[in-house]
Amino acid sequence: EVQVVESGGGLVQPGGSLRLSCAASGFTFSSYWMHWVRQAPGKGLVWVSRINSDGSTTTYADSVKGRFTISRDNAKNTLYLQMDSLRAEDTAVYYCARAGSGRGNFDLWGRGTLVTVSS
Amino acid sequence: QSALTQPASVSGSPGQSITISCTGTSSDVGGYNYVSWYQQLPGKAPKLIIYEVSNRPSGLSNRFSGSKSGNTASLTISGIQAEDETDYFCSSYTTSSTVVFGGGTKLTVL
Repeated sequence: EVQVVESGGGLVQPGGSLRLSCAASGFTFSSYWMHWVRQAPGKGLVWVSRINSDGSTTTYADSVKGRFTISRDNAKNTLYLQMDSLRAEDTAVYYCARAGSGRGNFDLWGRGTLVTVSS
Repeated sequence: QSALTQPASVSGSPGQSITISCTGTSSDVGGYNYVSWYQQLPGKAPKLIIYEVSNRPSGLSNRFSGSKSGNTASLTISGIQAEDETDYFCSSYTTSSTVVFGGGTKLTVL
């Protein structure tokens, strides 16, 4: 089955760190750009970051630049998001998404993992 | 990067057609034919329903269609059904090589 499954979410204090993982299966992970998208409770979708197929190119939203780091391990078919200096406004469900054809669309999504930043 | 502008809600009776607009700028919607639309059921992950303005993924109902004029993209759902009642989001690739989403539109089937 073609799927991506996120893990690593949880409760963390402001200023803390967390690393999310996204395990891919059923497709050639190393051929695809991958993205992270988040959604605060009851709110809309917000793009967070992207990484190219070999991990050499990354891009970030201004709101997380300098605090979050996206990476991947193609040998393990896994995408990561290292989140440092977390803030209350980072509280959200974080989705891993596969890039579709063209640019800027996501044709495969995981179920998401909830990150809660609170003291 | 400011979010794209969508109406908070739209509604229609079963069998009618509805259109959801998505307004951006020349740096996103107006600058590329890379507008996408997603359907999100409650508690579920988003599902791609339109990409590159007007293309449907394989197997998706042809009741869903997309278009664009200038800085505004549109999603039209024809012959709406009760099962279409949920949230819809647009997105666009931007000149900064990022992606921006709209705030989302809740479709109510009367």
